[in-house]
Amino acid sequence: DAGVIQSPRHEVTEMGQEVTLRCKPISGHNSLFWYRQTMMRGLELLIYFNNNVPIDDSGMPEDRFSAKMPNASFSTLKIQPSEPRDSAVYFCASSFGTGRDEQFFGPGTRLTVL
Amino acid sequence: DAKTTQPTSMDCAEGRAANLPCNHSTISGNEYVYWYRQIHSQGPQYIIHGLKNNETNEMASLIITEDRKSSTLILPHATLRDTAVYYCIVRVAQLGDDKIIFGKGTRLHILP
Repeated sequence: DAGVIQSPRHEVTEMGQEVTLRCKPISGHNSLFWYRQTMMRGLELLIYFNNNVPIDDSGMPEDRFSAKMPNASFSTLKIQPSEPRDSAVYFCASSFGTGRDEQFFGPGTRLTVL
Repeated sequence: DAKTTQPTSMDCAEGRAANLPCNHSTISGNEYVYWYRQIHSQGPQYIIHGLKNNETNEMASLIITEDRKSSTLILPHATLRDTAVYYCIVRVAQLGDDKIIFGKGTRLHILP
C-alpha cells in the first residue's frame, strides 16, 4: 500500500480564495482524521470520521472550514474563504478504528494564504 | 484524556540509549500510554503503546511504572535519524475512537 496520500503537497493562495485539500486513506481503514499544525498551536485535531461519518468536529475552527468523506477512499477539507491565519501544515491520517490502532499519517499539505 | 508532562527538550549522544520520560499522574485504569514521534517536515509516526506491562518492538521499549503514573520510552541505540519531537499520549481505547490529542512533546537532539 502507498500509505495515506494527500494532495496537493503545497498550496499557495490569496486571501479570500477557496482551498480544497484532499486525502486518500489506506485501503481497509475505517477511521480518517484531519489535523492542522502551526508553530504557535502545535498539532490540533480538526475532525475525524468513522465509517465515513463525522464523529467529532469540535476542533474545526469556524464555519469557513468544512470536511466531507463521500466514500471510504476519499476525503476533502475545504476552507472558504481562506485567511492568512489559516496558513499551516494540514495532515490527514487513517486507522482501522478498533480503538487501539495506530494512526498512519500522510505527508501533509503546506498551505500558505497570502 | 489524561494530561501528560514531558521535558521540552533533551540531548543524547549517538549510539547511546535515549530515555524519554513522561508523567501521567492522573491516568485512569482503562487508559493506554502511546508514543509517537515527528521527524522534521514529516507526519507523526507511531512508535509503541502499552497498558500496564513493559513493551518492546523493533523501534523502542516502553517502561511503565507499577502505579502507571509515569513511563519511559527507550531508544536503545540512538542514531542521528532519531532526532525528532516525541509525543507521549494517554488515551482510552474505545471501538470506533482512535482519536489522539497531541501535546507539545519532547524535542530530542541526537548529537554526533
